[in-house]
Amino acid sequence: DVKVTQSSRYLVKRTGEKVFLECVQDMDHENMFWYRQDPGLGLRLIYFSYDVKMKEKGDIPEGYSVSREKKERFSLILESASTNQTSMYLCASKRGRPEAFFGQGTRLTVV
Amino acid sequence: AQSVTQPDIHITVSEGASLELRCNYSYGATPYLFWYVQSPGQGLQLLLKYFSGDTLVQGIKGFEAEFKRSQSSFNLRKPSVHWSDAAEYFCAVGSSYSSASKIIFGSGTRLSIRP
Repeated sequence: DVKVTQSSRYLVKRTGEKVFLECVQDMDHENMFWYRQDPGLGLRLIYFSYDVKMKEKGDIPEGYSVSREKKERFSLILESASTNQTSMYLCASKRGRPEAFFGQGTRLTVV
Repeated sequence: AQSVTQPDIHITVSEGASLELRCNYSYGATPYLFWYVQSPGQGLQLLLKYFSGDTLVQGIKGFEAEFKRSQSSFNLRKPSVHWSDAAEYFCAVGSSYSSASKIIFGSGTRLSIRP
């Protein structure tokens, strides 16, 4: 089975902190994604990566950046966390086949 | 641009009753279509997918969905729901052109089950 692991289930950070959300997949997938999930808005794509060091902006990239130095790891970075970034963050990966596999999610609270 | 609309925010059905969750998509070519389910506090699990061929697709947990190109719809159905089906359901669309393409999700439908 594909395993997508997000490093934290719950995080609490202070406004202005630099925050790293980590995602690792164990199936050699080329494509990795970061989504943000908010009630009534569904999942919105922040960034995705189709190869090492390659990235593309999704629908809501403002306030975020990403890093993909190794194929298995895709990091989401909040350079200066703000309260409106309090949300559930979901990482996903896929390869070849169109469907994506998701991690368990990280619930981030910025206070 | 790709988009997915799930018109029902919240649906409540009685246990044992049938279920239909609606999904409409906008896409310029033949899409890949998906239904995912999310239990509270969990990630998303793929229920079923449509790529081509038979327009009625079967998924896990007794769910099925029907692709109707003329209506740009991909509605999810289950003949008899169980209390364990209470969850949030997301319809999604992806590109048929590239495996590197993104997947776009609808806003979700929360399903509650009445005992």
